[in-house]
Amino acid sequence: ILNVEQSPQSLHVQEGDSTNFTCSFPSSNFYALHWYRWETAKSPEALFVMTLNGDEKKKGRISATLNTKEGYSYLYIKGSQPEDSATYLCALKTSYDKVIFGPGTSLSVIP
Amino acid sequence: EAQVTQNPRYLITVTGKKLTVTCSQNMNHEYMSWYRQDPGLGLRQIYYSMNVEVTDKGDVPEGYKVSRKEKRNFPLILESPSPNQTSLYFCASSPWLAGGQDTQYFGPGTRLTVL
Repeated sequence: ILNVEQSPQSLHVQEGDSTNFTCSFPSSNFYALHWYRWETAKSPEALFVMTLNGDEKKKGRISATLNTKEGYSYLYIKGSQPEDSATYLCALKTSYDKVIFGPGTSLSVIP
Repeated sequence: EAQVTQNPRYLITVTGKKLTVTCSQNMNHEYMSWYRQDPGLGLRQIYYSMNVEVTDKGDVPEGYKVSRKEKRNFPLILESPSPNQTSLYFCASSPWLAGGQDTQYFGPGTRLTVL
């Protein structure tokens, strides 16, 4: 069974701090990687699609990088704000129809 | 408004009583999927469908059935629910886009409790 791992499991930061977390996956099974943001009492929403080694994506203060050869992706949040508090999920696509989600990193930003 | 809807949102039932959770999307998406979310385990795929009349097992299909008779609907059926199926369930859909570009749109979730 393929495993997608995320670390840390949870993170508490002060408002204004920058932070990053990791998604690790078997590099031999890479087809695409998606990042989702999941706020409490809501549904997951897509943040980034990453398909090529060396991809870098950015949306406001949030950015992501991808290394398919070593099997990891980093998500960075610059100057965290309370509204960034959420669980961040990565999802590995291993083919056109198979997707495996990681367990998520729960971020709490303390005002 | 483009959306994925699920009903019911909350359900408490008893062991063995058949139930169906409906899922509908209005975006003409080819791909639809069901997930369950349990603490510490993340989203685990139950079943998915690439198109009408095409369904396939995900990672945790035991105890569940699905059907895809119409493109917009993808109901999840629990023929004989058991307490270990108590969970938060999400339906999701996505368009068919080449190269893995197809991120998913999620429904609001159904919280199921089986007593």
